[in-house]
Amino acid sequence: DAKTTQPNSMESNEEEPVHLPCNHSTISGTDYIHWYRQLPSQGPEYVIHGLTSNVNNRMASLAIAEDRKSSTLILHRATLRDAAVYYCILRDGGGSNYKLTFGKGTLLTVNP
Amino acid sequence: DSGVTQTPKHLITATGQRVTLRCSPRSGDLSVYWYQQSLDQGLQFLIQYYNGEERAKGNILERFSAQQFPDLHSELNLSSLELGDSALYFCASSVRLEGWANVLTFGAGSRLTVL
Repeated sequence: DAKTTQPNSMESNEEEPVHLPCNHSTISGTDYIHWYRQLPSQGPEYVIHGLTSNVNNRMASLAIAEDRKSSTLILHRATLRDAAVYYCILRDGGGSNYKLTFGKGTLLTVNP
Repeated sequence: DSGVTQTPKHLITATGQRVTLRCSPRSGDLSVYWYQQSLDQGLQFLIQYYNGEERAKGNILERFSAQQFPDLHSELNLSSLELGDSALYFCASSVRLEGWANVLTFGAGSRLTVL
């Protein structure tokens, strides 16, 4: 399985942008990059995904490097409710693997 | 509310016992996934079903089993429980079986405590 590397933790201030990095140097050409987050005492929730081009949705933006070996999840204005563990996941390559494999993720702390 | 319903929310039982966790997927979703989250292991994939058939297996113990019923709800059975089985168990569902952009919707989890 292609692996991802994320910082264990990051800290941000409320209403400031947050850039959460993810390295995935062994990504294959058909792997999608998914981001999920897990708020305290809740199940993981989908944030965004992309393949090659940058993506935007109501929650966040995803910036993907040209060589696809890294990506960055961007929260444009962090709020206290964004404090969570953020997981960067590669959709397992090949049609026979259906599961999403979660790593340790990045614990984001948002200061008021 | 994500649309994925898990029961019970909390369960306390003793070692050696057997429990059943239930999951109702989001309306229209055919695929169900089970994950285990413990403090030291993070989120571990256990098993996946699609339209009643087992399609992928992860690190699921032989003491654990699951099934998906014709109405698409799923049950995870845990038997001969040990202290180390104490964890949060999450169910997730998705529309399709596969697809590069397949997105999972998770339930709120069932917290199992084995004493």
